[in-house]
Amino acid sequence: SAVISQKPSRDICQRGTSLTIQCQVDSQVTMMFWYRQQPGQSLTLIATANQGSEATYESGFVIDKFPISRPNLTFSTLTVSNMSPEDSSIYLCSAAKTVGAYNEQFFGPGTRLTVL
Amino acid sequence: AQSVTQLDSQVPVFEEAPVELRCNYSSSVSVYLFWYVQYPNQGLQLLLKYLSGSTLVKGINGFEAEFNKSQTSFHLRKPSVHISDTAEYFCAVSDTGGFKTIFGAGTRLFVKA
Repeated sequence: SAVISQKPSRDICQRGTSLTIQCQVDSQVTMMFWYRQQPGQSLTLIATANQGSEATYESGFVIDKFPISRPNLTFSTLTVSNMSPEDSSIYLCSAAKTVGAYNEQFFGPGTRLTVL
Repeated sequence: AQSVTQLDSQVPVFEEAPVELRCNYSSSVSVYLFWYVQYPNQGLQLLLKYLSGSTLVKGINGFEAEFNKSQTSFHLRKPSVHISDTAEYFCAVSDTGGFKTIFGAGTRLFVKA
């Protein structure tokens, strides 16, 4: 399995500022992802964090707003830039690891962000 | 590309009654299917998953789901629910590379005494 930790667990930020969320996995993983869960909503995939190269963003998400880094096989960061109240969400880090013939996906506890 | 439709946004049920949470998916390739549970103010927990083999999958907390390829469904069932089962349940699908999981909108199960 893979245990994922995220920092910070929650934060309250002012509009116009930026916040960087860190994700640490306790073992090397194949893939890392970032999801957003807006209040009362499901999880939406923001991007796939690629090691050593630019992240792959889903439709509706752009690098300028959500820059992502993945310097190695166990760590990634997501920055929420120039925040507005609409960015208030839970941001979840996820990692996929090969277990037998299957790439199993694990989720972190999430970072609860409130933008005032 | 894959997509997931959870047919019920809310399901109220009395304690000890059976429950079924419905999920349909669409995909042009073979898929893996999952059910996750999210208790209030907590993270996601995997309930069960279908990878291959038997179409009836048993998970934690007495839940089970049946994969029906012809109907592209993966409904979640429990024969007798408890108050503690009150939570949000998410159906999810990924391709068999398991590289990207797409979630349904969620079903809020509310168990009443």
